[in-house]
Amino acid sequence: KQEVTQIPAALSVPEGENLVLNCSFTDSAIYNLQWFRQDPGKGLTSLLLIQSSQREQTSGRLNASLDKSSGRSTLYIAASQPGDSATYLCAVKGGTALIFGKGTTLSVSS
Amino acid sequence: GAGVSQSPSNKVTEKGKDVELRCDPISGHTALYWYRQSLGQGLEFLIYFQGNSAPDKSGLPSDRFSAERTGGSVSTLTIQRTQQEDSAVYLCASSLEAGGNVDEQFFGPGTRLTVL
Repeated sequence: KQEVTQIPAALSVPEGENLVLNCSFTDSAIYNLQWFRQDPGKGLTSLLLIQSSQREQTSGRLNASLDKSSGRSTLYIAASQPGDSATYLCAVKGGTALIFGKGTTLSVSS
Repeated sequence: GAGVSQSPSNKVTEKGKDVELRCDPISGHTALYWYRQSLGQGLEFLIYFQGNSAPDKSGLPSDRFSAERTGGSVSTLTIQRTQQEDSAVYLCASSLEAGGNVDEQFFGPGTRLTVL
C-alpha cells in the first residue's frame, strides 16, 4: 500500500530564505507526482506536476525534483515571501487516484 | 476559463439527516474525483468517474455514501444518515483523463460539512 510522508510537518522562516520541503513515498511504481498549495479554508491549487519519466519541473520561484528509485521528491522555494505562507501537499498517482501526504505548513515572516 | 466549482461551500446538518454535495467539473474534463479531508486522516480518495465507465467506489467508507455523475458532467455525492465522524471537507477534482502520467488534477474549493 502506497504511503506518502512529508517532513517537516511545519516550518517557519524569515522572508527571503530559500527552503526545501521533502516528500517520500513507499512504492516507486507511480505515474506522476503533484505538488499542491492549500490556503486556510480553501481548496488545493496545483503547483507542479512531474511525470514519472521526468527528474524535475520548474515554475517561477518553485522547483520540484523527483527521484523515483529512492522514492523522494523535493519542492524548492527560492527567495520566500510572506505570500508563500500556506500548507504544501505532495501527492503521488499510482493508480487512478492521488495518494496524499499530510502536508508541510509553511510560515514566512516579514 | 472556469475552474471546478462546488456547492454548498458550507453545510451544517443534524446527525441522521441526508446531505447532497454538488460538483461541477472543468468543461471537457472526463475524469472526476471526490476526496475527503479530515483533521485526523488528511486527504482520502472516495470515488472516481471516468467517462461512461463504471465508477471506482473503492474509497467509499460505508454504504451510506454514494455518488452519481449525470451526463458525464455534474456529480452529486450523497451521504445518508449522517454521523458526526462524517464531518470533514469534501473536495472534488477533475482532469482531462484518468490514465497516463500527464493527468493533472484540478480541485474545487470544497464543501465543509459539519454534523451536529
